Amino acid sequence: DGGITQSPKYLFRKEGQNVTLSCEQNLNHDAMYWYRQDPGQGLRLIYYSQIVNDFQKGDIAEGYSVSREKKESFPLTVTSAQKNPTAFYLCASSIGSGSYEQYFGPGTRLTVT
Amino acid sequence: EDQVTQSPEALRLQEGESSSLNCSYTVSGLRGLFWYRQDPGKGPEFLFTLYSAGEEKEKERLKATLTKKESFLHITAPKPEDSATYLCAVRTSWFGTDKLIFGTGTRLQVFP
Repeated sequence: DGGITQSPKYLFRKEGQNVTLSCEQNLNHDAMYWYRQDPGQGLRLIYYSQIVNDFQKGDIAEGYSVSREKKESFPLTVTSAQKNPTAFYLCASSIGSGSYEQYFGPGTRLTVT
Repeated sequence: EDQVTQSPEALRLQEGESSSLNCSYTVSGLRGLFWYRQDPGKGPEFLFTLYSAGEEKEKERLKATLTKKESFLHITAPKPEDSATYLCAVRTSWFGTDKLIFGTGTRLQVFP
């Protein structure tokens, strides 16, 4: 079955530690995205990638980093510079970066204490 | 400023009681409106894409419509399994780059 997987489902870290969230897709999609979801707010774009070895900052990129070395994979690192890292993180992909629907993974809930 | 507003924030319905969810938007250059369903603790599930005013899409008990300023998600004879948060997102062009703007969602609860 084609889809998007994110791991782990729950992640706990101490303040000051970097943490990497995994996102893999087997849909053969070119574009991939990372969003953050907080209660009472719409999804906010962190980073996106339209093609391998290329990515752009979204609206809230500060304190995050990404890489896109393979078409199938788009890991997100939450660094210690991110001031409020506790959130629900969603990875998505689409056929291209135009007016195409995005398909989401199951999400990773990160808690930093 | 581009903006997407969903109403109501929460909606409680009796099973079989039809209703509509609203998504109003002010964007410069609509390039698609998307509806998603999100269950608690899970990722959004894609439902519909609408591109132009007058367009309608249907899936089981759900029907999405689009005008120049808003979209409605009509739910006919809902069942408890339709309980979820419904998200609306609008794709617009922003300095030559496509951008997807999400609303905050409508939380729907359907009681038997």
